[in-house]
Amino acid sequence: SAVISQKPSRDICQRGTSLTIQCQVDSQVTMMFWYRQQPGQSLTLIATANQGSEATYESGFVIDKFPISRPNLTFSTLTVSNMSPEDSSIYLCSVVRQGATHEQFFGPGTRLTVL
Amino acid sequence: AQSVTQLGSHVSVSEGALVLLRCNYSSSVPPYLFWYVQYPNQGLQLLLKYTTGATLVKGINGFEAEFKKSETSFHLTKPSAHMSDAAEYFCAVNRNTGGFKTIFGAGTRLFVKA
Repeated sequence: SAVISQKPSRDICQRGTSLTIQCQVDSQVTMMFWYRQQPGQSLTLIATANQGSEATYESGFVIDKFPISRPNLTFSTLTVSNMSPEDSSIYLCSVVRQGATHEQFFGPGTRLTVL
Repeated sequence: AQSVTQLGSHVSVSEGALVLLRCNYSSSVPPYLFWYVQYPNQGLQLLLKYTTGATLVKGINGFEAEFKKSETSFHLTKPSAHMSDAAEYFCAVNRNTGGFKTIFGAGTRLFVKA
């Protein structure tokens, strides 16, 4: 398995501000993803974080709102920009390990509340 | 395109009773199928997976699921529910054919009554 940590675990933010969430994995992984889980709902893929290049965003998500970095094979950040209460969600980092391309592992999530 | 349907957003069982959580999928290629569990305030944990081979797969915590191609189903079962099984369960499908994307069902919240 892969051990994934996320920082912060939770935060309460004011509207109009930005928050950067960090995802650290204990081993090199081939793919890293960011998901959003709105209250009481399932997971929605925001983007695939690509090492050394721009992330690949899903429909409905844009780089200006959710800039993502992935400087190496074990670390990624997601920024939620110009936040509004609608951004209140759990944000989850997920990875696929080298050699296990059909199995995903998830971080504990970052619970974000925007006032 | 792939999709996943979980029947029942909430399921309630008594402790010791059979747990059955239903999942149906659609996929134009042979799917890889997963069940994940999410405990309160935690991330997702893989319960079990089907990729190829034996259609009855066993997972952690006494759960198992059977892949039935003819019914396009992958229902999750456990013979005897325990209070600690109370959680949200997600069925998911993916197939790594030139692009990796996992599709999650809407989730089923399992309640276990004493």
